[in-house]
Amino acid sequence: GENVEQHPSTLSVQEGDSAVIKCTYSDSASNYFPWYKQELGKRPQLIIDIRSNVGEKKDQRIAVTLNKTAKHFSLHITETQPEDSAVYFCAATGKDTGRRALTFGSGTRLQVQP
Amino acid sequence: DARVTQTPRHKVTEMGQEVTMRCQPILGHNTVFWYRQTMMQGLELLAYFRNRAPLDDSGMPKDRFSAEMPDATLATLKIQPSEPRDSAVYFCASGLVLGQEPYEQYFGPGTRLTVT
Repeated sequence: GENVEQHPSTLSVQEGDSAVIKCTYSDSASNYFPWYKQELGKRPQLIIDIRSNVGEKKDQRIAVTLNKTAKHFSLHITETQPEDSAVYFCAATGKDTGRRALTFGSGTRLQVQP
Repeated sequence: DARVTQTPRHKVTEMGQEVTMRCQPILGHNTVFWYRQTMMQGLELLAYFRNRAPLDDSGMPKDRFSAEMPDATLATLKIQPSEPRDSAVYFCASGLVLGQEPYEQYFGPGTRLTVT
């Protein structure tokens, strides 16, 4: 089955700096890579995703890149703000029609210092 | 703005009691997932259903946990008997899965369970 590893587990940046979170996956057939943001006491919320036929996707201050050859994908947050502080989870899912559940990384706790 | 809903939001119970958690998936979604989240284990997949049929419950302790979908608008997760180690936040999520196409998965607000 799929295995997703996420790094770093914690990340502290100054407000205005950029933050990068990296994930690797094991199943070369995976075709969908979402990122979730979870604030304290709240549900995980989908913030951006990328499909295997795309190398990069941007949405305002966040972007995700995918390297299928190396089987890794990354979340980039530019001009970080205190409200970006949260736990971020990457995930991957493959084409196995029988399964199709997301496999999540272990999470990155991002702290943006004002 | 369609959302996954869960009840109860909080549950405190004594060891040995039965706990039932309920989830209403987004209307039209055909796949429902149950996750457990603890500080140590992150997001752990317990079970999931497609078109109300159980697809995988390998992540669930079989002796005390059970999951069902009585109808398309209700999924339940039961723990009987509950134990202190079951204390966690239980999330339900739903998505529309069509063949091999990528799909978006949305989470409910969670049920915070405390077993004393």
